[in-house]
Amino acid sequence: EPEVTQTPSHQVTQMGQEVILRCVPISNHLYFYWYRQILGQKVEFLVSFYNNEISEKSEIFDDQFSVERPDGSNFTLKIRSTKLEDSAMYFCASMGTRGENTQYFGPGTRLTVL
Amino acid sequence: QKEVEQNSGPLSVPEGAIASLNCTYSDRVSQSFFWYRQYSGKSPELIMSIYSNGDKEDGRFTAQLNKASQYVSLLIRDSQPSDSATYLCAVTNQGGKLIFGQGTELSVKP
Repeated sequence: EPEVTQTPSHQVTQMGQEVILRCVPISNHLYFYWYRQILGQKVEFLVSFYNNEISEKSEIFDDQFSVERPDGSNFTLKIRSTKLEDSAMYFCASMGTRGENTQYFGPGTRLTVL
Repeated sequence: QKEVEQNSGPLSVPEGAIASLNCTYSDRVSQSFFWYRQYSGKSPELIMSIYSNGDKEDGRFTAQLNKASQYVSLLIRDSQPSDSATYLCAVTNQGGKLIFGQGTELSVKP
């Protein structure tokens, strides 16, 4: 069964450093998302991406964040200068078509900012 | 503010019983409704989706939607210890982003 994959599973970084989180969505999917979940809190939407551009972003997704689909398979989230409060699980999700309406989640990357 | 509300629990039921999980949402234009299961430290896993009023059954799971009351529920029949997890209610509109509730922790006791 096709699945969303994410690397790395755990990333530890120093405050102020840049990190790139990588995702490989399900191969024929067209819509891509990033969510985050701070420990003990709800899953929060960050950004959606379709047709090589951002379709929607949340207030959390400020200038420190960017997304890219550099080739036909990878979908990345970059945090330019990490803060302590960026420590969270980051989930990538993908969806086939808007009509299908079901998002499938990757296993997540646990980001720890020291 | 568009919100999805769930009781955080924990909800404790004995093995073999029916577990009932509830969710309310504030945005009347919400179109699609989902229940995800999340084990500790893992990603959300889709259990059920429901789009129209009424009941939808899939195995031991039944989702119920009442758009007039802005209410979604999930029933788990014959609960098993392996069902112990946090259950996330999520809604979306045409925009596609999922808005999650804080989740209800379910504990099924053997």
